[in-house]
Amino acid sequence: GAVVSQHPSRVICKSGTSVKIECRSLDFQATTMFWYRQFPKKSLMLMATSNEGSKATYEQGVEKDKFLINHASLTLSTLTVTSAHPEDSSFYICSASSRNNQPQHFGDGTRLSIL
Amino acid sequence: GIQVEQSPPDLILQEGANSTLRCNFSDSVNNLQWFHQNPWGQLINLFYIPSGTKQNGRLSATTVATERYSLLYISSSQTTDSGVYFCAVDLTGANSKLTFGKGITLSVRP
Repeated sequence: GAVVSQHPSRVICKSGTSVKIECRSLDFQATTMFWYRQFPKKSLMLMATSNEGSKATYEQGVEKDKFLINHASLTLSTLTVTSAHPEDSSFYICSASSRNNQPQHFGDGTRLSIL
Repeated sequence: GIQVEQSPPDLILQEGANSTLRCNFSDSVNNLQWFHQNPWGQLINLFYIPSGTKQNGRLSATTVATERYSLLYISSSQTTDSGVYFCAVDLTGANSKLTFGKGITLSVRP
């Protein structure tokens, strides 16, 4: 149980393109999902907390107009990297938990490469 | 904010050896998780262990919440254990965000 699915696993696209990444909880409902970014050989850094039915909460330094988050249902959150540029290239990974005081489960991540 | 420190930063083992990975944190936590990130980037849940001791095969973990540290033990290491081990904590457990340590890079040599 507690499976989180993330798509796509890899994206290569041209500069200026907008890219949408989906995060789904397959066998549980998640009122809150989280989006992280990871640079090579670095740790995971939280970008934002995605709240079902309301606006996302962004961490300091994360541009909310660049990284659009939508959490339209209890099983789906999306991250859209708008007008992506090479510096947006990174590994993006989402997580969710079924309820309070339960472990977070992570998707397999999306490797984004902007040419 | 809460600080999470992992040690050692790098570890090289011969296959079959045992090891202990440490995670220190600066505040009281309601959630602590250990992960293994494989070469493809997948984060594998190892333990959800805000306190106490748990074992899963060759791996075990202990968290002493009052002293603000957690230990991950790997026994009889295998080459497939190679990768990065992360400790992550959250303060309230109320669907709160996880703060990750910098990770420990483990290389197990045949």
